[in-house]
Amino acid sequence: EDQVTQSPEALRLQEGESSSLNCSYTVSGLRGLFWYRQDPGKGPEFLFTLYSAGEEKEKERLKATLTKKESFLHITAPKPEDSATYLCAVRGYGNNRLAFGKGNQVVVIP
Amino acid sequence: SQTIHQWPATLVQPVGSPLSLECTVEGTSNPNLYWYRQAAGRGLQLLFYSVGIGQISSEVPQNLSASRPQDRQFILSSKKLLLSDSGFYLCAWSENSYNQPQHFGDGTRLSIL
Repeated sequence: EDQVTQSPEALRLQEGESSSLNCSYTVSGLRGLFWYRQDPGKGPEFLFTLYSAGEEKEKERLKATLTKKESFLHITAPKPEDSATYLCAVRGYGNNRLAFGKGNQVVVIP
Repeated sequence: SQTIHQWPATLVQPVGSPLSLECTVEGTSNPNLYWYRQAAGRGLQLLFYSVGIGQISSEVPQNLSASRPQDRQFILSSKKLLLSDSGFYLCAWSENSYNQPQHFGDGTRLSIL
């Protein structure tokens, strides 16, 4: 069974204080790893897909990286509007389903 | 561009009452469609998914059912709601091709009294 563990569960950052979120996974053949951002009371918003170890994707202050066992979401010089819960999900071979982690709740303080 | 609509945004229902939540997708054809439930501290739980009209796969045996009467319409139903059915229900779609990301609606907050 595909599994995802995200750490830390919650993180408080000062504005401008860079940090990283971790997503550790076990999957029988990775077909894709997905990062989402979720604001309170809203559905998750798609950010990135990573397919193979060594791949990196960037969007504004966010950068996602992937190894064979984990992915990191780096937040560089965060702003208060980056406050959200970040979800990680994986899809394994032979699977049409995503396995989601419980999320990293990030609060950026002005 | 593609959009996904879910309604209602919030719903308060008594125990034992029926349920119908609707989700529609615009701007694409033959999408894969998904229903999830999100409980606090438990992550997203896949309830149902569909790869075509009338084709429904159930992930978790429960008090709920799903139907896909049209290509871009997905409905989540129950004949009699239980207290444990309370939660945040999310509909999602993806392109029906290799390894595409899922895109979510804004969800329905369901409270059972």
